[in-house]
Amino acid sequence: AQKVTQAQTEISVVEKEDVTLDCVYETRDTTYYLFWYKQPPSGELVFLIRRNSFDEQNEISGRYSWNFQKSTSSFNFTITASQVVDSAVYFCALSEAVDSNYQLIWGAGTKLIIKP
Amino acid sequence: DAGITQSPRYKITETGRQVTLMCHQTWSHSYMFWYRQDLGHGLRLIYYSAAADITDKGEVPDGYVVSRSKTENFPLTLESATRSQTSVYFCASSETDYTQYFGPGTRLTVL
Repeated sequence: AQKVTQAQTEISVVEKEDVTLDCVYETRDTTYYLFWYKQPPSGELVFLIRRNSFDEQNEISGRYSWNFQKSTSSFNFTITASQVVDSAVYFCALSEAVDSNYQLIWGAGTKLIIKP
Repeated sequence: DAGITQSPRYKITETGRQVTLMCHQTWSHSYMFWYRQDLGHGLRLIYYSAAADITDKGEVPDGYVVSRSKTENFPLTLESATRSQTSVYFCASSETDYTQYFGPGTRLTVL
């Protein structure tokens, strides 16, 4: 059965600290896709990144980086030098390529609070 | 480029009334989805659609009806609103890369 676990319910750090959000997934498929979304206090859901299961290269986009490790079924998200604007709820999600009807399996989300 | 829009953005209604939430996307994406988001439950899928005239139930479909006569529109109807349907409703669309793009959401309050 597919599942996404975000064990950290809430993280609070001081601005400029680095912070890592954990995501662990379960799937039996060999082809799947992993996602991170951001939901700021304004409420919209913003797509951040998509990785497929055949691409384990880490990704860096500015202060954001993602570490995908199939061996540990993890897809962790690191924010370097955090800023107050990074305060949001972050969701990790999984979609299996076979028989998923393009549905996403969602983690419960991690609320990130960046204190000035 | 409007992307995906939802209307109304805010709605207050009374128990027992019928309410329709609209979702419109300009990308011609095949797949569309309706979610509700409640504190403590995260995002839960209500209904989804693989194409015009093809819809299927998600995790929490009871009390909701959908239709999709045109690719770009995917309205969600609450036939007889209940207080437990007070929530934020998100519409999303997707194409073959599996990425879902979300509308801004509709905040529905049922009194």
